[in-house]
This record gives sequence, C-alpha cells and structure tokens, in this order.
Amino acid sequence: AQSVAQPEDQVNVAEGNPLTVKCTYSVSGNPYLFWYVQYPNRGLQFLLKYITGDNLVKGSYGFEAEFNKSQTSFHLKKPSALVSDSALYFCAVRALPSVGRYSSASKIIFGSGTRLSIRP
Amino acid sequence: DSGVTQTPKHLITATGQRVTLRCSPRSGDLSVYWYQQSLDQGLQFLIQYYNGEERAKGNILERFSAQQFPDLHSELNLSSLELGDSALYFCASRGATGLAGEESGELFFGEGSRLTVL
Repeated sequence: AQSVAQPEDQVNVAEGNPLTVKCTYSVSGNPYLFWYVQYPNRGLQFLLKYITGDNLVKGSYGFEAEFNKSQTSFHLKKPSALVSDSALYFCAVRALPSVGRYSSASKIIFGSGTRLSIRP
Repeated sequence: DSGVTQTPKHLITATGQRVTLRCSPRSGDLSVYWYQQSLDQGLQFLIQYYNGEERAKGNILERFSAQQFPDLHSELNLSSLELGDSALYFCASRGATGLAGEESGELFFGEGSRLTVL
C-alpha cells in the first residue's frame, strides 16, 4: 500500500535559521512526490515536485526538497526561515493505480501535515 | 487564485440531513479530486474523476457520493449526516497534458467548503 509519513506534528525554528520538514514515503515503482503549503482558512498551494532527474528540487518561496531513494525520503528545506513561512506543510505522493486500471487514475496521498512555526 | 471554485464556502446543517458541495475545476482540467480535512485526521482522499468517469476511490463512506458532469464540474453529495462529518471538504483539479504530464502534474486546490453538522 502507498503511504506518506510526516513524523513531526510541529517544527519550531528561529527566523533566519535553516529549516527542515521531514517526509518519508512508501509507493510501488517510481514515486512522484510533492510538497504543498496551507495557510489558515485557505486551500493548499503547490510548492514543488520531484518527478525524475536531479535529486534536489527547487520550488516557490525559496523552498527546496531533496529526494533520497535509498532512504525513501523527500525532506523540505529552506536555508533561512522567514516568519511568513509559518503555515501547515503537507507532503504528498502519487500512488500508482491497480494493474489494468486507467493510467489517468491516480490516488494522490497526503501526509498528516507538519505545522511550521517561525519565531522572530 | 488557483482557478478552482468551490461552493458553498460555509454550510451549517443538522444530523440526518443531506448536502451537496459543488466544484468547478480550472478551465481545461479534466481530473477532479475530493478530499476531506478534519482536525484529527489530516487530509483524506475521497475520490477522483477524470472526464466524467470515476477513476480512483479512497476512504469514501457509502453515505457519500460524487459525480462529474459533462461540463467537468463536480458535486460531492453527503447524506445522513453525522456529527463526525463536520470538516473542510476540498476539491482539486489537475490538467491533462499528455500521459507523462498528467501523471506528474500537481493539484490546484479550491478554498474549500466548511461543513458543520449540529
């Protein structure tokens, strides 16, 4: 079964320090991995994705993520945190459809979310 | 603005009632996803439609049903509502840009419909 784990419910970082939000996954075949951010009372916004190629993926707002196949991880990082980065962050993985199903069928499974709090 | 529109934004109803949530995907997007977000359960995948047909199913209760219409808008029907159905319901759409593009494409989320069951 496909799954995503975000082991930390909350991450607290001082402004200007580097931040890491952890994500590990389990999926059949090659994974498509995503990070989304959710601000209060808003829908999720896409940050970045890994499909293939370079293991370090750069995204919006200065965020980047590192794909590690051997550790089945896709951690979100930023070199210098801003107070405005405080939000709820979700990791997601595309799960392959069952054998014989349409290629356009794909579950996209989200982790439980990590609340990032940046203190001034 | 993601381009995905959800109505209503807020809905308060009583147990046992039935409600319909509506989603209009981004122009040209064929895939529509429904998710439920509750405080203690994160974001749960409910169901996916592609060009009017159901394509993937998640943890959707039998009391819930959905459909996607020829104009590609989608509706999520929730019936015999219980207190535990109170949640934010999100719709998201994804474009079809060829097999590889569709498989790798990110989702665009609406602002959600907040359902409160009293």
